Amino acid sequence: AQKVTQAQTEISVVEKEDVTLDCVYETRDTTYYLFWYKQPPSGELVFLIRRNSFDEQNEISGRYSWNFQKSTSSFNFTITASQVVDSAVYFCALSEAGYSTLTFGKGTMLLVSP
Amino acid sequence: NAGVTQTPKFQVLKTGQSMTLQCAQDMNHEYMSWYRQDPGMGLRLIHYSVGAGITDQGEVPNGYNVSRSTTEDFPLRLLSAAPSQTSVYFCASSQDREVSPLHFGNGTRLTVT
Repeated sequence: AQKVTQAQTEISVVEKEDVTLDCVYETRDTTYYLFWYKQPPSGELVFLIRRNSFDEQNEISGRYSWNFQKSTSSFNFTITASQVVDSAVYFCALSEAGYSTLTFGKGTMLLVSP
Repeated sequence: NAGVTQTPKFQVLKTGQSMTLQCAQDMNHEYMSWYRQDPGMGLRLIHYSVGAGITDQGEVPNGYNVSRSTTEDFPLRLLSAAPSQTSVYFCASSQDREVSPLHFGNGTRLTVT
């Protein structure tokens, strides 16, 4: 069975601080996909990134970066120079190859104060 | 493009009532799914479909029925609502089996009293 753990329930930072959201996953498959989604206070789910299990390159997109380490089964997400608009719940999710469904972590609520 | 459209946005039911949450997508996606979101629980899969006429159960299917008669529509039925079904429901679709990113609807907030 697959499982995603986001141990940080809530994180509070002050604007311009860097913050890392942790994600640890479990799966028996060798081919799988990892995702991050953002859920702002308005409630919609916004796709941020997808990474497949064969691509361990870190990725940077503006102030966002992702660190994928198969050795530790982790897919961590860092926001550099956080902004108030980054306040949201962030979900890490996993899908095994051949399935079009996701197993989600419980989410991390990020609060960025001015 | 409308993407994934869920109706209604809000609903209040009394225990024992039935209702159908509607989900429609206009992207010709084969794969559709329903999730429920509860505080502190993340999103959990209720049912999913890999094409018209094919559905399967997810992690928390009890109390819900689905059918997929067309590619576009994937309604979720509550036959006899219970307070434990108070939740936010999300419908999603995706393009292919290898999980292109899921496209989510904006959710339906259901309260069962």
